Amino acid sequence: QKEVEQNSGPLSVPEGAIASLNCTYSDRGSQSFFWYRQYSGKSPELIMFIYSNGDKEDGRFTAQLNKASQYVSLLIRDSQPSDSATYLCAVASNQAGTALIFGKGTTLSVSS
Amino acid sequence: EPEVTQTPSHQVTQMGQEVILRCVPISNHLYFYWYRQILGQKVEFLVSFYNNEISEKSEIFDDQFSVERPDGSNFTLKIRSTKLEDSAMYFCASSEAPENYGYTFGSGTRLTVV
Repeated sequence: QKEVEQNSGPLSVPEGAIASLNCTYSDRGSQSFFWYRQYSGKSPELIMFIYSNGDKEDGRFTAQLNKASQYVSLLIRDSQPSDSATYLCAVASNQAGTALIFGKGTTLSVSS
Repeated sequence: EPEVTQTPSHQVTQMGQEVILRCVPISNHLYFYWYRQILGQKVEFLVSFYNNEISEKSEIFDDQFSVERPDGSNFTLKIRSTKLEDSAMYFCASSEAPENYGYTFGSGTRLTVV
């Protein structure tokens, strides 16, 4: 059974701080990794995807992948109250990426 | 920005009844999906659909579920005989090339089985 694990939180950070969200996955053969943001009662919204080891930056967001450790993380710089949401880590269950396995998500709370 | 449209936003049905959830994917997308999220739980994959056939399905997607693309725009999920445990938010999603871009979710249909 392929699993994706996340700390459910809540993770509380002050406005302007860096929020660090972590995710581990069980299938060593996984190739594609995604971070989604989900506001309460809403659908998941894609933030970033990463395939290669290392860092990938997009604005205030940086995704980090370490396949040897089976670990993915998301850093949010200059956190804003509007970043308060649940962050879902998802891993493609096959090379085609046609099915994603989601973690339970980490709830982030940014206080002003 | 293009979006995935789902209707209805909320459906209440009696146990044992059939329901059809509807989705209009983004027009140039080729891959379509249904996911569900039981309240307070993780998002779970149900089925993926490509080139007018199911490409992958989970163990949740048993004989009571079916999907169809009846015309060039709609993508439907049918639940034949609903059970209380089918109560969840059902998300449709679509993608142009999932291995490269991930995909876009619709706003969801909240299904309540009573």
